[in-house]
Amino acid sequence: AQTVTQSQPEMSVQEAETVTLSCTYDTSESDYYLFWYKQPPSRQMILVIRQEAYKQQNATENRFSVNFQKAAKSFSLKISDSQLGDAAMYFCAYRSANRGGADGLTFGKGTHLIIQP
Amino acid sequence: DAGITQSPRHKVTETGTPVTLRCHQTENHRYMYWYRQDPGHGLRLIHYSYGVKDTDKGEVSDGYSVSRSKTEDFLLTLESATSSQTSVYFCATFEMDRGYTGELFFGEGSRLTVL
Repeated sequence: AQTVTQSQPEMSVQEAETVTLSCTYDTSESDYYLFWYKQPPSRQMILVIRQEAYKQQNATENRFSVNFQKAAKSFSLKISDSQLGDAAMYFCAYRSANRGGADGLTFGKGTHLIIQP
Repeated sequence: DAGITQSPRHKVTETGTPVTLRCHQTENHRYMYWYRQDPGHGLRLIHYSYGVKDTDKGEVSDGYSVSRSKTEDFLLTLESATSSQTSVYFCATFEMDRGYTGELFFGEGSRLTVL
């Protein structure tokens, strides 16, 4: 079974600074997808960024980018120019590309990101 | 975004009572999921469905049952609620055909408190 580990229960960053959230995963598969979801206090789960394992290029979405290291099984999220609205729980998640929709996503335990004004 | 609604959004019940949470989607997605979210555990899969009347267990299925009689509805039932089932429950959907982007779409969550 796959596992996803987020080693930072909580992170704090000054507004406008850059912060990196860590995620490692364990899998024996070669084809998979990785995701970062954001959960603000509203509880809504919002997709931040997605990475296909077969793509070597790191995904980028505006101020959000990832550092995907397939051999190291690492998938960190970098938030540049942090804004107060970035304050949330962030979840790293894994999905196999070989099982269709079976088993859904496997989530890490989350990192609580605090933005200091 | 997929139109996913959960009901009720909040519920307080007593130990031993049955509880049913409903998830309704308007996107005709094939796969539907129920997750529970607890502090320090992230989201864990309870059950999922891959079609009408087709369901399978997830990581934390004990004490829960599900049913899917229509594509759009996925019900989660706690036959006899226990305090350990106090949690926030999320429904999610997935469809492989939409450009195969891979992500799940989530409902707003339902907070269940079992006293």
